Amino acid sequence: DTAVSQTPKYLVTQMGNDKSIKCEQNLGHDTMYWYKQDSKKFLKIMFSYNNKELIINETVPNRFSPKSPDKAHLNLHINSLELGDSAVYFCASSFRYREETQYFGPGTRLLVL
Amino acid sequence: GQNIDQPTEMTATEGAIVQINCTYQTSGFNGLFWYQQHAGEAPTFLSYNVLDGLEEKGRFSSFLSRSKGYSYLLLKELQMKDSASYLCAGTSGTYKYIFGTGTRLKVLA
Repeated sequence: DTAVSQTPKYLVTQMGNDKSIKCEQNLGHDTMYWYKQDSKKFLKIMFSYNNKELIINETVPNRFSPKSPDKAHLNLHINSLELGDSAVYFCASSFRYREETQYFGPGTRLLVL
Repeated sequence: GQNIDQPTEMTATEGAIVQINCTYQTSGFNGLFWYQQHAGEAPTFLSYNVLDGLEEKGRFSSFLSRSKGYSYLLLKELQMKDSASYLCAGTSGTYKYIFGTGTRLKVLA
């Protein structure tokens, strides 16, 4: 059974489009995250939710909007996609909102043309 | 500010020992994680240090010195499958992970 899953795995789209990436974890964790990993492999946190509540919101364009319908899901919607949004987006979860190991999903490879 | 530094690339030979260093400057530092990431895959947890000293786990060990803002990951008896990126991550008081850029390790036969 997959612990943290993301869909889709690959996403190729045109500039200006709106797209969503979904994430689900079946570990019973309270906290979920979205990370962006750029071409230089730098992994940067974007958002963190604890029990469906937003707790970390980094300096991310407001074209990116996370949504957590329940604590097992954290989706990421991106409006008006730009070339610079091309990256790998990782979802992760941890047991609690504190010092905990993070479990990463397989990543979504987004390419904006 | 908050900063994590680690070497970009390292090369070592199968069967050897390699040490990957990480220096950090994070306000409200809590602890330090090491993750392994194979090409095209997700990061996976390797180790976590919150107290000074060495934590050993099989072929991998991790060391932390809080006073020096320094950590290292030690890999012994290197295997070809250890070729991967190794990410150092510090956590701050607000429980925000700050990742380093990763060290790409190549293990040669």
